Amino acid sequence: NAGVTQTPKFQVLKTGQSMTLQCAQDMNHEYMSWYRQDPGMGLRLIHYSVGAGITDQGEVPNGYNVSRSTTEDFPLRLLSAAPSQTSVYFCASSYWGQGTLSPEQYFGPGTRLTVT
Amino acid sequence: DQQVKQNSPSLSVQEGRISILNCDYTNSMFDYFLWYKKYPAEGPTFLISISSIKDKNEDGRFTVFLNKSAKHLSLHIVPSQPGDSAVYFCAASAGEATNKLIFGTGTLLAVQP
Repeated sequence: NAGVTQTPKFQVLKTGQSMTLQCAQDMNHEYMSWYRQDPGMGLRLIHYSVGAGITDQGEVPNGYNVSRSTTEDFPLRLLSAAPSQTSVYFCASSYWGQGTLSPEQYFGPGTRLTVT
Repeated sequence: DQQVKQNSPSLSVQEGRISILNCDYTNSMFDYFLWYKKYPAEGPTFLISISSIKDKNEDGRFTVFLNKSAKHLSLHIVPSQPGDSAVYFCAASAGEATNKLIFGTGTLLAVQP
């Protein structure tokens, strides 16, 4: 049971380049999400999904796209990277909402992205 | 506008003593609160949570207290150990059917041997 895995661990991009951050979980969790962590800002929700085929925006969605074709995978796409997207990105998963004991989320190890 | 606030960026405590980390929130719709612990270069890990129907939840050395009227919660660690040194994030969610978490900015706890 690997939990939540993220690749790559580190990435450097030039402004305007595109890339996809990968996230996978093997806990059969319906809910998956992406956060970014910036100094002095805590973790901020980018996008989330409550199941395959269903995604929605979080607090800071601009510049990012997501899709959820399977329960296991939730990739985050940067279409045209900007220096403001330099951050540490965390993927998380959990059981979904109603009927669950708590919205506790399980986090991956993170991807450190630098955009120059 | 920061809905979840951790006003102390850092805290230093002697080993064996009590660590108290504080968190304030502004949204009265929040009904579930969680604490996460984060070591450098790792993802946050869940520590303890509390529902708004309770005012205290205890798990071993960790206790979370909730004061709804003051919109304040705190995490007590007794006794503190050097391995507790990490960044602690407070988080909150609103509504029974949502997993969306709003995080505070974190408090760096250093436990001195």
